[in-house]
Amino acid sequence: RKEVEQDPGPFNVPEGATVAFNCTYSNSASQSFFWYRQDCRKEPKLLMSVYSSGNEDGRFTAQLNRASQYISLLIRDSKLSDSATYLCVVSSYNTDKLIFGTGTRLQVFP
Amino acid sequence: EAQVTQNPRYLITVTGKKLTVTCSQNMNHEYMSWYRQDPGLGLRQIYYSMNVEVTDKGDVPEGYKVSRKEKRNFPLILESPSPNQTSLYFCASSLRPGSMITEAFFGQGTRLTVV
Repeated sequence: RKEVEQDPGPFNVPEGATVAFNCTYSNSASQSFFWYRQDCRKEPKLLMSVYSSGNEDGRFTAQLNRASQYISLLIRDSKLSDSATYLCVVSSYNTDKLIFGTGTRLQVFP
Repeated sequence: EAQVTQNPRYLITVTGKKLTVTCSQNMNHEYMSWYRQDPGLGLRQIYYSMNVEVTDKGDVPEGYKVSRKEKRNFPLILESPSPNQTSLYFCASSLRPGSMITEAFFGQGTRLTVV
């Protein structure tokens, strides 16, 4: 089983739609959680950190469910510019690395 | 401006010809790492370094070497490249992951083709 699993998609949604991605992780000792965005052939960039209480940044909302070991990303009012691959990233105190999911591809169409 | 700089951005080489991809960061980060990204496999860690003169293997270290003589630089060395090392490579730096919530900053990537 992969340490971090994501649905690869693609998720094809119209502009203005709300879309949600989930990501599951296997290490119950995981402590830090992030969503990164990666545009085609470009470097990944931090979209948002995911806190235990959940957090919101404009149209983006991230949630953490420790009991079920998953994190989610909700995008409201999708824009064409949201088209990208979204990477779920997890780290823990007992490993010295960030574990990346393989990403979920989002395509927003007019 | 905080950044991670990788060079070259694109490289085509022949099997067996030693090459080095440079990586430099200006954020005084302790932790640096190299990843390769292949379709369907995501980002896989090759090597990482927690500080100067401290390096360790990641998930896919075979065929690669690294060094960390200075805090800002973390070159990736392919002593004898093979076609299965054709990939997109990213260098990243951050404060030490796992010890606190921290952001990883990535270089722009190096697209390597080995023929």
